[in-house]
Amino acid sequence: NAGVTQTPKFQVLKTGQSMTLQCAQDMNHNSMYWYRQDPGMGLRLIYYSASEGTTDKGEVPNGYNVSRLNKREFSLRLESAAPSQTSVYFCASSSSAGTGENEKLFFGSGTQLSVL
Amino acid sequence: GDSVTQMEGPVTLSEEACLTINCTYTATGYPSLFWYVQYPGEGLQLLLKATKADDKGSNKGFEATYRKETTSFHLEKGSVQVSDSAVYFCALSLLPGNTPLVFGKGTRLSVIA
Repeated sequence: NAGVTQTPKFQVLKTGQSMTLQCAQDMNHNSMYWYRQDPGMGLRLIYYSASEGTTDKGEVPNGYNVSRLNKREFSLRLESAAPSQTSVYFCASSSSAGTGENEKLFFGSGTQLSVL
Repeated sequence: GDSVTQMEGPVTLSEEACLTINCTYTATGYPSLFWYVQYPGEGLQLLLKATKADDKGSNKGFEATYRKETTSFHLEKGSVQVSDSAVYFCALSLLPGNTPLVFGKGTRLSVIA
């Protein structure tokens, strides 16, 4: 059971470099999310996609872009990485049938990103 | 805006001790409330939930009761095990629709044998 798959698991970038974090889910979920986790800050929402074809900003969107490539895939791009973007990034997905079950999020195992 | 406040950690307990992790919330509507757990090196996973006042969520010996009068959803376990060592996150979501969850900052629990 794959669930939510994130790649890569680890990445080191230099300031100014760009990269894309990939996320795919195989549960036929409509909604997908990107969070970052920092010590003492908990999880903060970067962007989310409530359904295929839509994306919305979360709490901390600056410096990031997203693409909902299809129902399965939701990528996060850092155009010009900064040391402040050093963090652990989590992708998550949920169903959204409107029944109230959409709140159960399924998380990937995370990407540890360091920007030097 | 909507928010969740958790007790600061870390919390260190001996095996078989009682656990309480406090969580209070601020919301404009009537949220659903959740506890998620993150084991070392893994993503978060749902531990339990409650969708209306006075509901009690329970799982793996943990339980939490939705208290509307005190806007609280404290996590409790009567006897912790070493395997319960993890980071615990309280979260809320407003119904209906695809409102993303709002998470607290997390509380790290370490249980020693």
